[in-house]
Amino acid sequence: DTGVSQNPRHKITKRGQNVTFRCDPISEHNRLYWYRQTLGQGPEFLTYFQNEAQLEKSRLLSDRFSAERPKGSFSTLEIQRTEQGDSAMYLCASSGPGQIYNSPLHFGNGTRLTVT
Amino acid sequence: AQTVTQSQPEMSVQEAETVTLSCTYDTSENNYYLFWYKQPPSRQMILVIRQEAYKQQNATENRFSVNFQKAAKSFSLKISDSQLGDTAMYFCAFMGPYGGSQGNLIFGKGTKLSVKP
Repeated sequence: DTGVSQNPRHKITKRGQNVTFRCDPISEHNRLYWYRQTLGQGPEFLTYFQNEAQLEKSRLLSDRFSAERPKGSFSTLEIQRTEQGDSAMYLCASSGPGQIYNSPLHFGNGTRLTVT
Repeated sequence: AQTVTQSQPEMSVQEAETVTLSCTYDTSENNYYLFWYKQPPSRQMILVIRQEAYKQQNATENRFSVNFQKAAKSFSLKISDSQLGDTAMYFCAFMGPYGGSQGNLIFGKGTKLSVKP
């Protein structure tokens, strides 16, 4: 168990640019989550995958955000035409297999995005 | 909609002493799950303790225990014999029945705990 891995750790980009983050979950976990955490706040749910299927998206996830999980393994989160309000820590978590309520989420270290 | 409130933005405690972090939540559900997560500085968030609402017995994990008051919708975390390594942000989180909406957690804003030598 090598844990949930996220890359890059930090990303600085100019407003209007596109960015992509990657998450590698724990290998046997079939569920994968993306959360966003801003300064002074708890993490907020963005989206959820079970295997390769994206089963839920938060209303926080605007049209500029897209997430994929091809083949049910790693996941990517892309933000197009970044805005300063997108600056945050983006956390990935995975869980499973087994019942959702018996499988605690394991979080990665996060990707800190700064939009200038 | 469910909400989670942590009313203590920051707390401090002397090493070896006991500290209690508060959490209240709002839900109309009868069965649900509550969690405390710890986020050390620049490190990943890890699960500290979990509680199923249908269980009356308070959960314990070594030096960590909870006081779950279902009627009051209160879920406090007690850390006994505080250690320097307990310094972290602590988040209270809620999950609805049967994993809620696909198992996503609703977090409070967190309490920053500093353990002083």
